Amino acid sequence: DTAVSQTPKYLVTQMGNDKSIKCEQNLGHDTMYWYKQDSKKFLKIMFSYNNKELIINETVPNRFSPKSPDKAHLNLHINSLELGDSAVYFCASSQIPESEQFFGPGTRLTVL
Amino acid sequence: AQSVAQPEDQVNVAEGNPLTVKCTYSVSGNPYLFWYVQYPNRGLQFLLKYITGDNLVKGSYGFEAEFNKSQTSFHLKKPSALVSDSALYFCAVRALTGANNLFFGTGTRLTVIP
Repeated sequence: DTAVSQTPKYLVTQMGNDKSIKCEQNLGHDTMYWYKQDSKKFLKIMFSYNNKELIINETVPNRFSPKSPDKAHLNLHINSLELGDSAVYFCASSQIPESEQFFGPGTRLTVL
Repeated sequence: AQSVAQPEDQVNVAEGNPLTVKCTYSVSGNPYLFWYVQYPNRGLQFLLKYITGDNLVKGSYGFEAEFNKSQTSFHLKKPSALVSDSALYFCAVRALTGANNLFFGTGTRLTVIP
């Protein structure tokens, strides 16, 4: 059973398009996160949700918006995609914000 | 401000030899410290963590890390390296209180040579 899953695994799209990445966790965790990993493998947190409430909102462009329909899901919507958005996006979850995080397999986004 | 430094981009070690991957941190107050490993085209996997208690923490796959408060370090170690340990290793830190952000280091690529 996959603990944290993401779809799609690969996403290739044109500049200006709007796209979404879905994330689901079956661990019963209360906190979920989105990270961006750039081409140099640098990992930066974008958002986190705790019990469906946003508790971290890093200074990412407002073109990015997290949406959590329930505790097990945290989707990432991106509007007006730009070349610089190309990266690998990871979803993660933890039981509480202080505990270790479990990561999904990643979504490689390529903007042409 | 919280930050993590992994001073080595690349560490090479012969199979069977001990390995060390270095990490130093900066945080206000007491830290939570973590090590994660990333294999190619995969997400990060949790290895071990330090919150409180013994300075020597044991984790998955035979790895351990030593918390040194005076040197603000949390180096990852393994007594005998395996070729399958070759991967990208990330150190991470967050403060016990305050912001929930987990700050990651820039990663160290470990290559174990057969």
